[in-house]
Amino acid sequence: KAGVTQTPRYLIKTRGQQVTLSCSPISGHRSVSWYQQTPGQGLQFLFEYFSETQRNKGNFPGRFSGRQFSNSRSEMNVSTLELGDSALYLCASSLDVGPGRNTIYFGEGSWLTVV
Amino acid sequence: DAKTTQPTSMDCAEGRAANLPCNHSTISGNEYVYWYRQIHSQGPQYIIHGLKNNETNEMASLIITEDRKSSTLILPHATLRDTAVYYCIVQGSQGNLIFGKGTKLSVKP
Repeated sequence: KAGVTQTPRYLIKTRGQQVTLSCSPISGHRSVSWYQQTPGQGLQFLFEYFSETQRNKGNFPGRFSGRQFSNSRSEMNVSTLELGDSALYLCASSLDVGPGRNTIYFGEGSWLTVV
Repeated sequence: DAKTTQPTSMDCAEGRAANLPCNHSTISGNEYVYWYRQIHSQGPQYIIHGLKNNETNEMASLIITEDRKSSTLILPHATLRDTAVYYCIVQGSQGNLIFGKGTKLSVKP
């Protein structure tokens, strides 16, 4: 069974540009969430999507957005990139079928460097 | 949301058991404890989770105290490939994972 797949794995963008990252969840998983990891702040929750709707959101500015498609695939977008957005962006998916059965599985991440 | 406290770092000899402690004194009755690990530059890997009973799988064992205020992850025979940052997590009320700093485990030959 394929794991969570993220593309691209590495990318470099310039300040002010925007970026779109893609995520394919594990087959059958309905919940997709995104996390940002930086050396200073560690792993932080960005948002979660379920059935094409954003269900939960972390404490990030509106420049960070996402969406989920009918096949559960998800994308996240960061607009007006800042140097501080350089980070590892992780996508995770889960079955979301009840407490204790919501194990979240992570992809390998997308490394974003803003210059 | 409950918070967890873990030692910053630990060392373990190859082939010996690694016992990683975690305090979660504010955990509520229906919150599960999850353990993940992250090897440098890779996504976090799920290890094990539990509510109040001890759990074991092919990777590790999880021992949760009766009052549920602390737990211990046990890697029975640590190898060099187990060197990683280990995160003890109590799942947040929104279902998201709230990561702390974790424990950097170094397995030495």
